[in-house]
Amino acid sequence: TQLLEQSPQFLSIQEGENLTVYCNSSSVFSSLQWYRQEPGEGPVLLVTVVTGGEVKKLKRLTFQFGDARKDSSLHITAAQPGDTGLYLCAGAGGISSGSARQLTFGSGTQLTVLP
Amino acid sequence: ETGVTQSPTHLIKTRGQQVTLRCSSQSGHNTVSWYQQALGQGPQFIFQYYREEENGRGNFPPRFSGLQFPNYSSELNVNALELDDSALYLCASSPGTSAYNEQFFGPGTRLTVL
Repeated sequence: TQLLEQSPQFLSIQEGENLTVYCNSSSVFSSLQWYRQEPGEGPVLLVTVVTGGEVKKLKRLTFQFGDARKDSSLHITAAQPGDTGLYLCAGAGGISSGSARQLTFGSGTQLTVLP
Repeated sequence: ETGVTQSPTHLIKTRGQQVTLRCSSQSGHNTVSWYQQALGQGPQFIFQYYREEENGRGNFPPRFSGLQFPNYSSELNVNALELDDSALYLCASSPGTSAYNEQFFGPGTRLTVL
């Protein structure tokens, strides 16, 4: 069984602060995706990282894929209340059989940014 | 372009009953994946349908079954409901079967089993 562990599980910060969310696994994935989910909605894809060591920036969000493709991080600079939501990492193309077609999700990080 | 839609939005059932959830995929997408998201957890892969056939399955018992129709819409059926089946059920459509394709999620169906 491939597991993706996210930390922290909950994070409450003030507007303007920086934060980092971590996603770790003992398994190698071909790519990692990050999603954000708001109440009453399905997850929305933020980014896909595919190369070990890759760094992608999306405005105030920076995503990194570990060199060994087992871990990833999401860094938010100067967080805003609109960043509030459940952040999920998901691994694709893991080494287990049948995993080429499915996403393996982490348990999520619930972020609250207070004004 | 219409996004992924799911019905119903909420559903309450009792143990032992059967339920059918429905999903309309995004235009041009031939693949639908179903996920179960328990409260406070990330989504768990149930199965995927591609061109009306099951194309991969997660660790769910056979009482979870599905269908995909020629228009690529899909149904998830759960028989003999158990309390632990209470969850948000998400479907996601994509333009192909690979997990590398972006999956577009619907808003989900909240199932409560009493």
